[in-house]
Amino acid sequence: DIQMTQSPSTLSASVGERVTITCRASQSISSWLAWYQQKPGKAPKLLIYKASTLQSGVPSRFSGSGSGTEFTLAISSLQPDDFASYYCQHEDGYSRSTFGPGTKVDIK
Amino acid sequence: EVQLVESGGGLVKPGGSLRLSCAASGFAFSAYGMNWVRQAPGKGLEWVSCISRNSAYINYADSVKGRFTISRDNAKNSLYLQMNSLRAEDTAVYYCARDVVTVAASDYWGQGTLVTVSS
Repeated sequence: DIQMTQSPSTLSASVGERVTITCRASQSISSWLAWYQQKPGKAPKLLIYKASTLQSGVPSRFSGSGSGTEFTLAISSLQPDDFASYYCQHEDGYSRSTFGPGTKVDIK
Repeated sequence: EVQLVESGGGLVKPGGSLRLSCAASGFAFSAYGMNWVRQAPGKGLEWVSCISRNSAYINYADSVKGRFTISRDNAKNSLYLQMNSLRAEDTAVYYCARDVVTVAASDYWGQGTLVTVSS
């Protein structure tokens, strides 16, 4: 089974900062990687799919990159609305999913 | 507008059963695979099960295999999760989510329903 890891687990940052979150897969997953944002008490929201494609309606300050086993989610200029938890996810060809453990972005 | 509304959560004793439902609207339900994803209190997301658009393909996480059964009724635009032999570690918010197979991601999620397994 493919395992997903994320780093850091917690990230403290200020409004306007650029932040990056890393997700690693235990084996190559090509570009089959999605990123989600989740706020407390709310459902996850899809941000990026296929490693780098921005979901419709998601602000352009979010970007994704990577392929194979290492992926990055970047927020170019952190906004107050961006303080949340972020999860990477790999879905395989049988639609089975594995989520990373999550990264919480909080206010410095 | 795409909407997914879960129901059926509640308090159940260990070893008990519960059936969750997810009512879909605003899209062609029969054209999409569907997922159940859960989140234990204060923890991360855990995929539980998926079902293809015509129920031909079904998969489960190892943690629920043999105890949970996913199903759907396309005529009723509904997704279900039958949960048997519930354990304390099944306590979580359960989300249904629409699966977009072509991009391997879930683009719409319900608000979740809380299942608490406790004596």
